[in-house]
Amino acid sequence: DVKVTQSSRYLVKRTGEKVFLECVQDMDHENMFWYRQDPGLGLRLIYFSYDVKMKEKGDIPEGYSVSREKKERFSLILESASTNQTSMYLCASRNPVGAPYNSPLHFGNGTRLTVT
Amino acid sequence: TQLLEQSPQFLSIQEGENLTVYCNSSSVFSSLQWYRQEPGEGPVLLVTVVTGGEVKKLKRLTFQFGDARKDSSLHITAAQPGDTGLYLCAGARGVDSNYQLIWGAGTKLIIKP
Repeated sequence: DVKVTQSSRYLVKRTGEKVFLECVQDMDHENMFWYRQDPGLGLRLIYFSYDVKMKEKGDIPEGYSVSREKKERFSLILESASTNQTSMYLCASRNPVGAPYNSPLHFGNGTRLTVT
Repeated sequence: TQLLEQSPQFLSIQEGENLTVYCNSSSVFSSLQWYRQEPGEGPVLLVTVVTGGEVKKLKRLTFQFGDARKDSSLHITAAQPGDTGLYLCAGARGVDSNYQLIWGAGTKLIIKP
């Protein structure tokens, strides 16, 4: 089974702090994603990466950056945390082979970030 | 921005009742995925529907893709407390492996014993 591990389940940070959210997958997947999840808004894509060293902006990249130096690791960085970034953050990976129906997303268990 | 409207947003019913969750869009999708998320965990894929009109069954869950591939439904028969969770639909845009997903807002389902 694919395992996607997010380093922290809960984080509390202060406004203005630089925050790192780490995600590691163990199945050699090329694609990795960062989403935030807020009640009533579903999943919103922040950034994604098709392969090592590659990154693409999603729908809500403002205030975030990412790093993918190794295939298995995808980091989300909040350069200066703000209270409106309080949310659940979900990392996902995917093996992009074949048609879309053969390559669903595999998610980690999420990091609940609170910025005070 | 493409939208995928999911309804209802919240549903609380008694064990044994039936229910249907809907996902509707004005856009055509190449396929549509349904995920379930339990508290404290990430979403897990339940099923993918690909062909217009396709029906897939997973025990008491029946998934249908609309003929025009713009909408989908999830029907649960005789709901059980174990069905409690957040159900998410996601429409795939693109036909190659680097497709994009458009997400519904989710349906929070509570089944009371």
